[in-house]
Amino acid sequence: GAGVSQTPSNKVTEKGKYVELRCDPISGHTALYWYRQSLGQGPEFLIYFQGTGAADDSGLPNDRFFAVRPEGSVSTLKIQRTERGDSAVYLCASSLTQVSGELFFGEGSRLTVL
Amino acid sequence: SQQGEEDPQALSIQEGENATMNCSYKTSINNLQWYRQNSGRGLVHLILIRSNEREKHSGRLRVTLDTSKKSSSLLITASRAADTASYFCATDAGTGANNLFFGTGTRLTVIP
Repeated sequence: GAGVSQTPSNKVTEKGKYVELRCDPISGHTALYWYRQSLGQGPEFLIYFQGTGAADDSGLPNDRFFAVRPEGSVSTLKIQRTERGDSAVYLCASSLTQVSGELFFGEGSRLTVL
Repeated sequence: SQQGEEDPQALSIQEGENATMNCSYKTSINNLQWYRQNSGRGLVHLILIRSNEREKHSGRLRVTLDTSKKSSSLLITASRAADTASYFCATDAGTGANNLFFGTGTRLTVIP
């Protein structure tokens, strides 16, 4: 069956530009998570959704970052006025429920801000 | 911020040897999970151990959990070159929800 799909796989942009990263979770998974991973580090939690609502957005670093999941399936992570420090791999994961279980990760979107 | 730290940061062993990685975390937990990540790829779930469990096995993997010391270990027995990857522990920080907090990872290299 299909896994978690993330697009684009690579995105190069210039400082100050707006970027959207898309995540298509496993069908039927109600919970969706965004993480950011810098080189040599573990994934850093950003936000997670249960259904359409953001259940916890405490990991978003500032108000330039925003994520939506309007129909409870596909999610988009939006970054405004990108900065060089935003360069990282953005990982999306989904799980069947929001309670204590396995996360299924996508391959990630590598963002490079020049 | 990272919830935990893995030790060692890097480990290099010969094929057939056992590999042990340790994880320490900071808060109470409901469960702890271990994930594997091949270079440039997403993470893959290996095993979950609940806070009321002390040891769990899955194939060549053995995980222990000591909640009094806030630590866990992952043992890979009879390692193979294909086990070369980064290994991360992750906890729910006691929330019961699934937004996991990951450690810094151990980079394992298995030499054929």
